[in-house]
Amino acid sequence: DGGITQSPKYLFRKEGQNVTLSCEQNLNHDAMYWYRQDPGQGLRLIYYSQIVNDFQKGDIAEGYSVSREKKESFPLTVTSAQKNPTAFYLCASSPTGGGNTEAFFGQGTRLTVV
Amino acid sequence: AQSVTQPDIHITVSEGASLELRCNYSYGATPYLFWYVQSPGQGLQLLLKYFSGDTLVQGIKGFEAEFKRSQSSFNLRKPSVHWSDAAEYFCAVGLYQAGTALIFGKGTTLSVSS
Repeated sequence: DGGITQSPKYLFRKEGQNVTLSCEQNLNHDAMYWYRQDPGQGLRLIYYSQIVNDFQKGDIAEGYSVSREKKESFPLTVTSAQKNPTAFYLCASSPTGGGNTEAFFGQGTRLTVV
Repeated sequence: AQSVTQPDIHITVSEGASLELRCNYSYGATPYLFWYVQSPGQGLQLLLKYFSGDTLVQGIKGFEAEFKRSQSSFNLRKPSVHWSDAAEYFCAVGLYQAGTALIFGKGTTLSVSS
């Protein structure tokens, strides 16, 4: 089945550690996105990528980093510089970048700092 | 700046009653418009979208939405709510510029009472 796979579903991080969230898609989509979801805040854009080896910062990129070495993969690293990383993280993809294409979402990763 | 407003944070509707969730946007032109639904701990699923043409659009699960240019609104409706409709609903806009990501509202949580 085609879709977007995020792993792990739950992730626990100690303060001061970097962690990487995985996102893989087999939809052959060009564009991929990372959103952060907090209660009452909706979805806020962290990073997005239109094509391989290119990505742009979203509204809340500080403390995060990404790479796009392969079309199907867009991992997100939450660094120790992110002061409040506990949140639900959603990865999405779309056939092309731009506002006229539907975004398809993974099932999310819940990150908790312990 | 472009924005999406969902005025109702939480709505409770009796099973079998009708539903309307409000969405207003701020943008210099008519954007592309989307409604998504999210069950607890899950990703987002597209309910429907509006790009152009007929201002009343039909979606999955019996939902419909009406675009009103004069009010910059895209309200979601359902004639008869089922208990399984309890979820969080997000309105989103897509912009005309290439290389942009969807902008989401903060969401409306729907509870269904028996």
